[in-house]
Amino acid sequence: EAQVTQNPRYLITVTGKKLTVTCSQNMNHEYMSWYRQDPGLGLRQIYYSMNVEVTDKGDVPEGYKVSRKEKRNFPLILESPSPNQTSLYFCASSPRTGLAGVSVEDEQYFGPGTRLTVT
Amino acid sequence: AQSVTQPDIHITVSEGASLELRCNYSYGATPYLFWYVQSPGQGLQLLLKYFSGDTLVQGIKGFEAEFKRSQSSFNLRKPSVHWSDAAEYFCAVGPPIYNTDKLIFGTGTRLQVFP
Repeated sequence: EAQVTQNPRYLITVTGKKLTVTCSQNMNHEYMSWYRQDPGLGLRQIYYSMNVEVTDKGDVPEGYKVSRKEKRNFPLILESPSPNQTSLYFCASSPRTGLAGVSVEDEQYFGPGTRLTVT
Repeated sequence: AQSVTQPDIHITVSEGASLELRCNYSYGATPYLFWYVQSPGQGLQLLLKYFSGDTLVQGIKGFEAEFKRSQSSFNLRKPSVHWSDAAEYFCAVGPPIYNTDKLIFGTGTRLQVFP
């Protein structure tokens, strides 16, 4: 089954304790992205990756890191979490090819979400 | 600046009633347009999308949306709502040229359905 998986689904942690949220897709997609969802703000992009070893900042990258060492995985790293990073996080992937080629398959496939609470 | 507006934060309808969720966008050109649904505790699922051509697009679960260039709108409709349609709905726009792969989301409309 084609899917995007995230782990953990729920996490409660304390300020300053480093954590990683994993994201994996089995569709051989080139593009992957992380969003956070907050009430009244919709989804905002944190980081995205056009391909392996290619990552770039989204709208709200502060306090986050990402890596793309393999095509299927795109972990989100919070080196020193703070309470304002309490949110619902979604990973997404898409087969888009960017400037190298235009694909009409623009649909982004979303993971089930990770609810993070930082106390 | 690119933006998406969903003016209705919360909508309540009776089961069997018709539904229209509004979405307006601000963009330099005609973007790609999407509607996603998020059921409680779930991720986002694509309902439908518009790239070009026929301005009335059909999606899953009986939803449709109409692109109106003159109004910069892409409203979502369903003729008869089912209780299982209770969820949050997000309109999103994407760039027509792939200089960025970012989707811009609206703030969402929460739909409540009464029996």
